Amino acid sequence: DAGITQSPRYKITETGRQVTLMCHQTWSHSYMFWYRQDLGHGLRLIYYSAAADITDKGEVPDGYVVSRSKTENFPLTLESATRSQTSVYFCASEDPGLGSYEQYFGPGTRLTVT
Amino acid sequence: DAKTTQPNSMESNEEEPVHLPCNHSTISGTDYIHWYRQLPSQGPEYVIHGLTSNVNNRMASLAIAEDRKSSTLILHRATLRDAAVYYCIPYNAGNNRKLIWGLGTSLAVNP
Repeated sequence: DAGITQSPRYKITETGRQVTLMCHQTWSHSYMFWYRQDLGHGLRLIYYSAAADITDKGEVPDGYVVSRSKTENFPLTLESATRSQTSVYFCASEDPGLGSYEQYFGPGTRLTVT
Repeated sequence: DAKTTQPNSMESNEEEPVHLPCNHSTISGTDYIHWYRQLPSQGPEYVIHGLTSNVNNRMASLAIAEDRKSSTLILHRATLRDAAVYYCIPYNAGNNRKLIWGLGTSLAVNP
């Protein structure tokens, strides 16, 4: 399927476990982003990547790790999940070359840490 | 980063125009004004953006004040599918393309 996909869509895990959220885009957009969305907050940027092997921290990076070995994939890992990481996670991509400055979002992953 | 102020919620009737305001008085001269919306249980989707001139696309129109301190997203004929949270976001591509999100305006559309 063309577009940006996230997996799993729903995940329940226990405190202390490692969890990886997957993000895949089919457009070869150079930029990719991870956001989290919580009640009372707008979307907050966790990490972003300008290209394969180039990543940088966003607003709330603590407790998260990212990698980007291939342009199309941008996994987000919670190394030791905490209850405060219960949230909805959105992945997005953008192609600066298009000149539209439009970010395309995935459907989200709802993560519950018990 | 520029701050935005939007009403928490607005209500409209189906097939009527909707004007969603946004105040961004601290916007810099190089910031674009982007609008995204988020339908229930979905990821955000891009609506429109502009710099100085008013803009139109198939989804909406964007009216930008001459001093750029405010803008208005215009939905010409609201439909039930337009019920969503609408976000106004100053955007500077030079800031590593980061979008700084507020809480947006929750738009309800009555049949």
